[in-house]
Amino acid sequence: AQRVTQPEKLLSVFKGAPVELKCNYSYSGSPELFWYVQYSRQRLQLLLRHISRESIKGFTADLNKGETSFHLKKPFAQEEDSAMYYCALSLKNQAGTALIFGKGTTLSVSS
Amino acid sequence: DTGVSQDPRHKITKRGQNVTFRCDPISEHNRLYWYRQTLGQGPEFLTYFQNEAQLEKSRLLSDRFSAERPKGSFSTLEIQRTEQGDSAMYLCASSSPRGEQFFGPGTRLTVL
Repeated sequence: AQRVTQPEKLLSVFKGAPVELKCNYSYSGSPELFWYVQYSRQRLQLLLRHISRESIKGFTADLNKGETSFHLKKPFAQEEDSAMYYCALSLKNQAGTALIFGKGTTLSVSS
Repeated sequence: DTGVSQDPRHKITKRGQNVTFRCDPISEHNRLYWYRQTLGQGPEFLTYFQNEAQLEKSRLLSDRFSAERPKGSFSTLEIQRTEQGDSAMYLCASSSPRGEQFFGPGTRLTVL
């Protein structure tokens, strides 16, 4: 069965420290992976997708098919990065592109 | 605001009542999705429309749930005979064929 696992419920770091939010997936097809972010009192929004290979707000994520992982990284955390982060998998072999989300990781960056 | 909108933002109802939520997608998007999110969980897929056709339904969508998108624009999600377990945030998203999904603010349902 398709599944996305985010093992950490909460990650607390100090400003300027490196950040790595873990995401592992289970999917037999060709995966498309995303990271979504939800800031306090805002709607869910796309942060980045693996096929674009962009760096958004200093965040990057590399798809590792061997380890079935798509970890989100940032070298120097900022306080404004504090938010809930969701990793999501798109089922490309379906008629649509329904997303399967992990349970999310709360990132807390303090000064 | 040209993003996805949802109405109402909050709904409190008594068990056994029917409720209906509305979603207005981004105008040029032909794909529309409904998700449900409960506390401590990520969003869970419910159903998907391409234009007015409902192409996929999750097992989570019981007989008491029905969704429509009559003219391929806005969509409604109705829950009949609500139960306390239906209490959740109901999210709508829309996308173009490129696939990036844009989410609405959600409707928070509380069933007493």
